[in-house]
Amino acid sequence: DTEVTQTPKHLVMGMTNKKSLKCEQHMGHRAMYWYKQKAKKPPELMFVYSYEKLSINESVPSRFSPECPNSSLLNLHLHALQPEDSALYLCASKPAGRETQYFGPGTRLLVL
Amino acid sequence: GDSVTQMEGPVTLSEEAFLTINCTYTATGYPSLFWYVQYPGEGLQLLLKATKADDKGSNKGFEATYRKETTSFHLEKGSVQVSDSAVYFCALSDQAGTALIFGKGTTLSVSS
Repeated sequence: DTEVTQTPKHLVMGMTNKKSLKCEQHMGHRAMYWYKQKAKKPPELMFVYSYEKLSINESVPSRFSPECPNSSLLNLHLHALQPEDSALYLCASKPAGRETQYFGPGTRLLVL
Repeated sequence: GDSVTQMEGPVTLSEEAFLTINCTYTATGYPSLFWYVQYPGEGLQLLLKATKADDKGSNKGFEATYRKETTSFHLEKGSVQVSDSAVYFCALSDQAGTALIFGKGTTLSVSS
């Protein structure tokens, strides 16, 4: 298994909803990432987990809450989002000691 | 801080034309360099990489050479196809090897 999977592929939510994005990899990678990407822009780093511990939080609003339950799974819990949070949310993973990140297909989120 | 500058485009070419997308970087030390490609509606895919000076990365007919003296990593392809239409991101690894620093992306459009 050499890929990063993300579910759901698309998500529409209201500003009062609570939803979660899921990311999974079975490559034994020990670093996992969440990125936010707006149209025609590069990905912006949100969070980094290293060995299931949060190592980087790029000053992301608390309405985004990451969780890493085990070495294969990464979640992003969403609550009380704003329309400007609409974007493509990308997950990536990286093997320990290496620099290449492998990206999932993303979840396209629309906040109404 | 470290940064990546790439031509923003859009770049519009006819099929079988020669492609160059310029990328230059500013970094302390000797980072690894990457080109990622993002096809419409998809996540990022690693296209090629180089980890040290004078290394040449290549994949699917694309090539890029790590030039320390000019701090560049230009992407080239001898004959583009319509299927190469995508957004191309140049990136480097940060000093810790944890995060990627992306350029703004270059949109390539190839017509038949």
